[in-house]
Amino acid sequence: AQSVTQLGSHVSVSEGALVLLRCNYSSSVPPYLFWYVQYPNQGLQLLLKYTSAATLVKGINGFEAEFKKSETSFHLTKPSAHMSDAAEYFCAVSAYSSASKIIFGSGTRLSIRP
Amino acid sequence: SAVISQKPSRDICQRGTSLTIQCQVDSQVTMMFWYRQQPGQSLTLIATANQGSEATYESGFVIDKFPISRPNLTFSTLTVSNMSPEDSSIYLCSAIREEALDEQYFGPGTRLTVT
Repeated sequence: AQSVTQLGSHVSVSEGALVLLRCNYSSSVPPYLFWYVQYPNQGLQLLLKYTSAATLVKGINGFEAEFKKSETSFHLTKPSAHMSDAAEYFCAVSAYSSASKIIFGSGTRLSIRP
Repeated sequence: SAVISQKPSRDICQRGTSLTIQCQVDSQVTMMFWYRQQPGQSLTLIATANQGSEATYESGFVIDKFPISRPNLTFSTLTVSNMSPEDSSIYLCSAIREEALDEQYFGPGTRLTVT
């Protein structure tokens, strides 16, 4: 069985500050891990994914995430927040090495203060 | 990548009626899924749409309430039957291509309001 826990339903940072969105996973098999972003009234867009290659994964819009097996974590970071980063962010997990269903976390709403 | 479109983009329906949502992918895909996103919540998988056979439903979802069809490798429909206000949600279609099994693409969603 697989699950994802996102710590903090709402995170607020100042423009230019570090963004850190936390995600911990549970998986009985080696996982694929994803971060998706959902802008208001829009569909989901893939930010980045971990599929067992490099543990530090770089995505679009300056985001990156690090897979830490010992901590079962896959936290999302961005060095400097921009107003356009305000959105809902979802961490997700699926089974490694096969096309399978994705299990989503509860989501974290990121707000950016001017 | 795969571009996914959904119809309708939104609808307002009366309780007791049914709505069929269409999902079209611009290329052949190996797997298609349907998700529900209730207001202010995360995505919950409804079912895997299997081409040429019955869909595989997740716990808590049944075929009588959410019949699904997938007649070919690029198209699927989800019907929300006998609707109640609790069915008000965004319904999203997603797909996985054979060439990229580790990446799932999502449609823009269908925003359903049941009155």
